Amino acid sequence: EAQVTQNPRYLITVTGKKLTVTCSQNMNHEYMSWYRQDPGLGLRQIYYSMNVEVTDKGDVPEGYKVSRKEKRNFPLILESPSPNQTSLYFCASSSTGKSYYEQYFGPGTRLTVT
Amino acid sequence: AQSVAQPEDQVNVAEGNPLTVKCTYSVSGNPYLFWYVQYPNRGLQFLLKYITGDNLVKGSYGFEAEFNKSQTSFHLKKPSALVSDSALYFCAVRAPMIKAAGNKLTFGGGTRVLVKP
Repeated sequence: EAQVTQNPRYLITVTGKKLTVTCSQNMNHEYMSWYRQDPGLGLRQIYYSMNVEVTDKGDVPEGYKVSRKEKRNFPLILESPSPNQTSLYFCASSSTGKSYYEQYFGPGTRLTVT
Repeated sequence: AQSVAQPEDQVNVAEGNPLTVKCTYSVSGNPYLFWYVQYPNRGLQFLLKYITGDNLVKGSYGFEAEFNKSQTSFHLKKPSALVSDSALYFCAVRAPMIKAAGNKLTFGGGTRVLVKP
């Protein structure tokens, strides 16, 4: 089954404790993105990757890092989480082929930073 | 820069009545437009898209949307709402440029739909 998986689904942590949210897709997609969802603001892109070792900032990159060492994986790293990073996070992937505009979203990770 | 507006935070409708969720957009060039739905504790599910062609597009679960270029709108509609349609709906736009920021979607703030029995 074609899917995007994220782990963990729920995470409660404290300010300053480094954490990583994993994202993996099994569709051999080139493009991957991270979004955060906040009430009234919709989803905003944090970082994206066009392919292995090619990443760039989205609209709200401050406080986040990413890496793309393998095509299927795109982890989101919070080196020193702060309460304003409490949010619902989604990973998404898409191809460069004929249906390149179709995005597939993971189930989401709800992060609470206290 | 592209943007999407969903002017209603919540839409209430009785089961069996028509449902409309409004969306307007701003983008340079011809837009790619999308509707997604989010059920409680679930990810985003794709409903439908407009890329080119017929202004009326049909999607999943009986939903449809009409692209209106002159009004820069892409309203989501369903002729007869079900209680199970209660969810959070997002309109999104993608700029037409190939490889635009990894296929970045710009989302509206979302509209919560509540269908009452």
